[in-house]
Amino acid sequence: GAGVSQSPSNKVTEKGKDVELRCDPISGHTALYWYRQSLGQGLEFLIYFQGNSAPDKSGLPSDRFSAERTGGSVSTLTIQRTQQEDSAVYLCASSRGRVEGYTFGSGTRLTVV
Amino acid sequence: AQSVTQPDIHITVSEGASLELRCNYSYGATPYLFWYVQSPGQGLQLLLKYFSGDTLVQGIKGFEAEFKRSQSSFNLRKPSVHWSDAAEYFCAVEARGSTLGRLYFGRGTQLTVWP
Repeated sequence: GAGVSQSPSNKVTEKGKDVELRCDPISGHTALYWYRQSLGQGLEFLIYFQGNSAPDKSGLPSDRFSAERTGGSVSTLTIQRTQQEDSAVYLCASSRGRVEGYTFGSGTRLTVV
Repeated sequence: AQSVTQPDIHITVSEGASLELRCNYSYGATPYLFWYVQSPGQGLQLLLKYFSGDTLVQGIKGFEAEFKRSQSSFNLRKPSVHWSDAAEYFCAVEARGSTLGRLYFGRGTQLTVWP
């Protein structure tokens, strides 16, 4: 597609419920990233996928967070047993390489009530 | 510890005035450097980036940035601000040799433009 697409754009969930956030990267981009943007912590790296390699999960804040990327394209970020501190904007980005830079989606605003 | 500092949380300028947004970084070696802009409800848009070579880089929307190794700075400038430039601006670094795309961001500078 023309850009990185994320869905839903907004999500309100009750504390303790699981949520899934979706990212559809730009076609042909082999690298995909998830970032979190919150008032308290600013922009933080969460996870990185590159082709068929094992993902770099070093930024995930807890084992309640997981992500997968199917077929080297669409990615899903799953947060289990959501907590209020998970409220944030979750941004996805994709890239063909560093020289071209990283293209971000518009994000999913998650609110845990 | 590695860090990216944007010392100005909020800047207000008049339309037509010049602009400089500051960014300082603390890393062992010169990282890759980026400036992004974010409008309300939008994702991050890349304005410009510095990898090596000429220390003055040109970006989109009339922005430029100058890398100064001695000051560990990468300040963003625009000679004449337009009302549409009102947004939040983020400086980011990527350590050389690190995971591709693992960016460390500053806390952002909110720009308000007076008509």
